[in-house]
This record gives sequence, structure tokens and C-alpha cells, in this order.
Amino acid sequence: QVQLQESGPGLVKPSETLSLTCTVSGDSFSSHYWSWIRQLPGKGLEWIGYIYYSENTNYNPSLRSRVIISVDTSKNQFSLKLSSVTAADTAVYYCARGRFEYNTPHFDYWGQGTLVTVSS
Amino acid sequence: SYELTQPPSVSVSPGQTASITCSGDKLGDKYASWYQQKPGQSPVLVIYQDDKRPSGIPERFSGSNSGNTATLTISGTQAMDEADYYCQAWDSSTVVFGGGTKLTVL
Repeated sequence: QVQLQESGPGLVKPSETLSLTCTVSGDSFSSHYWSWIRQLPGKGLEWIGYIYYSENTNYNPSLRSRVIISVDTSKNQFSLKLSSVTAADTAVYYCARGRFEYNTPHFDYWGQGTLVTVSS
Repeated sequence: SYELTQPPSVSVSPGQTASITCSGDKLGDKYASWYQQKPGQSPVLVIYQDDKRPSGIPERFSGSNSGNTATLTISGTQAMDEADYYCQAWDSSTVVFGGGTKLTVL
């Protein structure tokens, strides 16, 4: 059974860097597209980006200048760094497993989500 | 940028059929996925590639996609189906989500 678990600080100061880690069990990083998706309070889902084959990344154009997603295969973890955060980045952050079929992704396993608040 | 539009809310009586739409330019030329999210929970994939159900998703969930509109249909809606539903597509190497639809079963 594939499981994903987010971890990281729940409070980040404005202008600092948000850092989260997703630990994956029951699967390997050799396939699939390991993704970050966020949900602003009371709002819908926003795709942040994904990493695949451990080094190839693709980011949402609206966040690309501030996002880095990386993977540590030895720990079965992938991470998100979002720099220069503001209150607008306050959200529940989900990690998810993406599957590409017929050149289209869908997300079949999700973590439970972690709330990150940006505040001084 | 590509946009997917969903109605904010849909209501249905128990046992009836609920239809939730998702509109986007030439969406029928792409594949649509659908996610169910209950309060305080993570999203769950209920439909992918327009009309495929993941293992464990009840048969009452079905999907279609043609023209500019993808539709999630829930037949014989149950109280447990009350949730937010999000459509998702892929355009210009970007994942796009719809704004979500709150399904109320009353």
C-alpha cells in the first residue's frame, strides 16, 4: 500500500523559505511523478510542481521563480522549497503521486496534508 | 493560461443522479480527472482518463468528456457522496484544476 506523509514547520515568517518533506512508503522513485499541490484556506487546489526520474522537474509557471522540488532516493523522500513567502502562501500543502498515462497526469495517492501558515 | 470552470454548487436528492460539469476550451481533446474531497480530508481520485474508475471507487461514479465539457455523474447518490469535487486536466505541460463544486445531498 502506497503511503505519503508530509512533514515540516507549520509556521514560516514572511520573506523566508518554506520547506516541506514528503516521505513515501510502499513505492519507489524510479517511476511516477512526485508532486506538490496546495489548497489555500477555503479555496480550490493549486498544482505547484513535480519531479520525475529523480532529476527532471516541472513547475507551475505562476510559482516557478520561487519553487524547487528535489528528491532523496536513499530516504524515499522528496522535498519542496518555496522562497520569499508571503501571507498568500498560507495553505494546506499536499504531496501526491502522479501517474502519466496517454501523456496526461492524474494523482492517485495523496498525503494527509500539512497546514503552513506564513506569519511574523 | 488554461482555465477549467465548475459550478460552485450542485444539489441532489438521495437516490437521484447528480451531474457536475467542468468546462474548458476544447476540453474534449484532453483527458479529464475528478477528485472527491470531504471536509478535513485529502482529495481522492474518483475518475481518470475521462471515464476510468480507480480500484475501490463505486460503480455509481462515472465520467464523460466531449466538446468543451467534462461531466462527473453520480447515479443513486448517497449521503456519503456529499463533498467537494474538482476536475483536473493537462494543458501546455501544466496541471490545471477547476475551482471545485460543492455537492449537497438533501
